[in-house]
Amino acid sequence: GENVEQHPSTLSVQEGDSAVIKCTYSDSASNYFPWYKQELGKGPQLIIDIRSNVGEKKDQRIAVTLNKTAKHFSLHITETQPEDSAVYFCAATDSWGKLQFGAGTQVVVTP
Amino acid sequence: DARVTQTPRHKVTEMGQEVTMRCQPILGHNTVFWYRQTMMQGLELLAYFRNRAPLDDSGMPKDRFSAEMPDATLATLKIQPSEPRDSAVYFCASAFDRGDNEQFFGPGTRLTVL
Repeated sequence: GENVEQHPSTLSVQEGDSAVIKCTYSDSASNYFPWYKQELGKGPQLIIDIRSNVGEKKDQRIAVTLNKTAKHFSLHITETQPEDSAVYFCAATDSWGKLQFGAGTQVVVTP
Repeated sequence: DARVTQTPRHKVTEMGQEVTMRCQPILGHNTVFWYRQTMMQGLELLAYFRNRAPLDDSGMPKDRFSAEMPDATLATLKIQPSEPRDSAVYFCASAFDRGDNEQFFGPGTRLTVL
């Protein structure tokens, strides 16, 4: 089955700096890679996703890159703000939709 | 305002008691997932349904857990009997058709088994 590894487990950044979270996956059949943000006491919320036919996707301050050959994908947050503080999860799945999540990254943005 | 709802939000119970958690998926979504979140194991998929039919429940302890969709607007996850190791946050998520479409998560049920 799929195995997703996520690094780092915690990330502290100064407001305005960039944050990068990296994930690797094992199943070459995976073709969908979402990123979720989870705030305290809430359920995960999708912030961006990418499919295997695309190498990069951007939405305002958030971007995701995918390297299918190396089986890794990354989340980039630019110009971080205090409201970006949360736990971020990467995930991978095939068309059956069984999401395999990474262990999560606690991001703390300090003013 | 389309969102997944879950009840109860919090549940404290004693070991051996039955626990039932409920989920109302977003109207029109035909795929429903149950996840469990713990510090040790992270987010794990327990079971999922498409068009009310169970597709995969391999992540669920079969001896005590059961999941059903009595109708398109209600999914239930039952634990009988509950054990302290079942303490976790249980999330329901729904999606339209395929699981590789966006999955919308509910707020979760925080379960504590004493």
